Amino acid sequence: QVQLQESGPGLVKPSQTLSLTCTVSGGSISSGSYYWSWIRQPAGKGLEWIGRIYTSGSTNYNPSLKSRVTISVDTSKNQFSLKLSSVTAADTAVYYCARGPYSYFQHWGQGTLVTVSS
Amino acid sequence: DIQMTQSPSSVSASVGDRVTITCRASQGISSWLAWYQQKPGKAPKLLIYAASSLQSGVPSRFSGSGSGTDFTLTISSLQPEDFATYYCQQANSFLATFGQGTKVEIK
Repeated sequence: QVQLQESGPGLVKPSQTLSLTCTVSGGSISSGSYYWSWIRQPAGKGLEWIGRIYTSGSTNYNPSLKSRVTISVDTSKNQFSLKLSSVTAADTAVYYCARGPYSYFQHWGQGTLVTVSS
Repeated sequence: DIQMTQSPSSVSASVGDRVTITCRASQGISSWLAWYQQKPGKAPKLLIYAASSLQSGVPSRFSGSGSGTDFTLTISSLQPEDFATYYCQQANSFLATFGQGTKVEIK
């Protein structure tokens, strides 16, 4: 059973870059036809898809965030990562990594809270 | 973007009740729809994909229906562990979008 675990700083200063890593266990990140996604959820609010990377390395991003987002994969570490630049308080949220076929999200990490504050 | 609209935003129900949640897409998405359950402090859990396919391990009291723009999630007999927030999500394009959520509360 594949498992995902987010890690990274819980506090980021405004205008800086948020960096998170998702470590995958129970399966290889480079096998199968899966998309590896980042999704976020501000406190008490709904879910927002940020972007994804395919096993081939191709990426898709939410147009609303595209200018600030980079998703990459490190197959040697079985990890994929999110970088979100020029953050503001509006980027404060629980960030989830997820895996799925197509645009479904079948497996999720537990989530990590990132607060943007000086 | 494809907008997803759920109704109601909340519902109060008792154990054993039948609960129905609807989701409408702003444009046709065929059967590219999923339903998730989220409990406080936890990640969402996939219940239904392809509008009506039950994810492995999910109890059969959950069912989904619909195609095009209108979809339904039904819980046939509400159990104590089903009190949670439910989200629909369209998977028709790479830009996945979610409904605003429906909170199922204890009556």
